[in-house]
Amino acid sequence: GDSVTQMEGPVTLSEEAFLTINCTYTATGYPSLFWYVQYPGEGLQLLLKATKADDKGSNKGFEATYRKETTSFHLEKGSVQVSDSAVYFCALRGGGSYIPTFGRGTSLIVHP
Amino acid sequence: GAVVSQHPSRVICKSGTSVKIECRSLDFQATTMFWYRQFPKQSLMLMATSNEGSKATYEQGVEKDKFLINHASLTLSTLTVTSAHPEDSSFYICSATGTGDYEQYFGPGTRLTVT
Repeated sequence: GDSVTQMEGPVTLSEEAFLTINCTYTATGYPSLFWYVQYPGEGLQLLLKATKADDKGSNKGFEATYRKETTSFHLEKGSVQVSDSAVYFCALRGGGSYIPTFGRGTSLIVHP
Repeated sequence: GAVVSQHPSRVICKSGTSVKIECRSLDFQATTMFWYRQFPKQSLMLMATSNEGSKATYEQGVEKDKFLINHASLTLSTLTVTSAHPEDSSFYICSATGTGDYEQYFGPGTRLTVT
């Protein structure tokens, strides 16, 4: 079945550092790929998505590129802020399905 | 657009009582709603899927008599945790999809604590 593997956290960075959170997936067909963010005590918010190979999703300075050859969708940001501290979930959704498959989440802690 | 709300955001109840959590789509008609449970520092676990006017479809291992789901209208679904016990304490998140839209829109979650 479909699965998503994320790097284990927590990831601890200083403000303005470069961020990479790795995500790889296993799926049949051509899934859509997502990054969600969960701030403390809140639900999930869609951060960005990509629906086909080589698409780049971007939002709020975050980017991720759908790499079919490496089955990856790594999240990057050039300069993190304290306000980016949250848990980030990588997810995929197969064609014709409502239900995403989530990774375990990666906690990001940014220090001033 | 595509806002989903949940009420209450936090609830504390005594063991043996029942508690109801509401999930509303505020600006779209939610043909399908989903209920998830999230344990501390873990990912979301899908509990059930409900379509308006139909019985919910529960995931394997989820007790349908304990977690009652009602999706009576296109904008409201409720999850009732019956005879709650401390092990039911968790963060419950709902999501919804609109007509012809596979995108899921998540609510802000409800923190349930059973004492």
